[in-house]
Amino acid sequence: QKEVEQNSGPLSVPEGAIASLNCTYSDRGSQSFFWYRQYSGKSPELIMSIYSNGDKEDGRFTAQLNKASQYVSLLIRDSQPSDSATYLCAASGGGADGLTFGKGTHLIIQP
Amino acid sequence: DTEVTQTPKHLVMGMTNKKSLKCEQHMGHRAMYWYKQKAKKPPELMFVYSYEKLSINESVPSRFSPECPNSSLLNLHLHALQPEDSALYLCASSQDFRTARGEQYFGPGTRLTVT
Repeated sequence: QKEVEQNSGPLSVPEGAIASLNCTYSDRGSQSFFWYRQYSGKSPELIMSIYSNGDKEDGRFTAQLNKASQYVSLLIRDSQPSDSATYLCAASGGGADGLTFGKGTHLIIQP
Repeated sequence: DTEVTQTPKHLVMGMTNKKSLKCEQHMGHRAMYWYKQKAKKPPELMFVYSYEKLSINESVPSRFSPECPNSSLLNLHLHALQPEDSALYLCASSQDFRTARGEQYFGPGTRLTVT
């Protein structure tokens, strides 16, 4: 059974600080890893994808992958109130494989 | 703006009704997906269509029936649903699976209420 684990939070971070979100996965065959942001009542929005060990940066977002530890993380620098949302970690075997999601972490950025 | 569109945005139906959800993607993707999301839960995969082949999550009941008229359209036919089927139904698409890493882009969803 493929599983993705996340701390559901809520995670409260002051505005301007770094928010750190973590996730672990059980299936060593997973090839692709994603972070989605979901606002209440809206659909998930892809914000980061990562496929190789190490860091990947895109603007204020940095994704980190450690396949040996089966661990994925997302750092959000200079957190803004608009970053307040649920962040979903997802894994897949790649290609047209379906996504397995974690339960999501509810992030609150305090002004 | 999302390039995956879904209609209708909201749907209320009785348990004896037959209805369909529609999804269209404008990105030339070759794989499309249906997910179901209950409140405060993550999306759960229902179906995958890739190169005209259907993959089914075996836990999905037969009252849900997908149809893929072409590579850019995906329908979900609903029949004899139960109140517990009330949820947000999400469509997603991804590029040619032979060359891409599987990034999936979601449509805005259809909020379904079964009475």
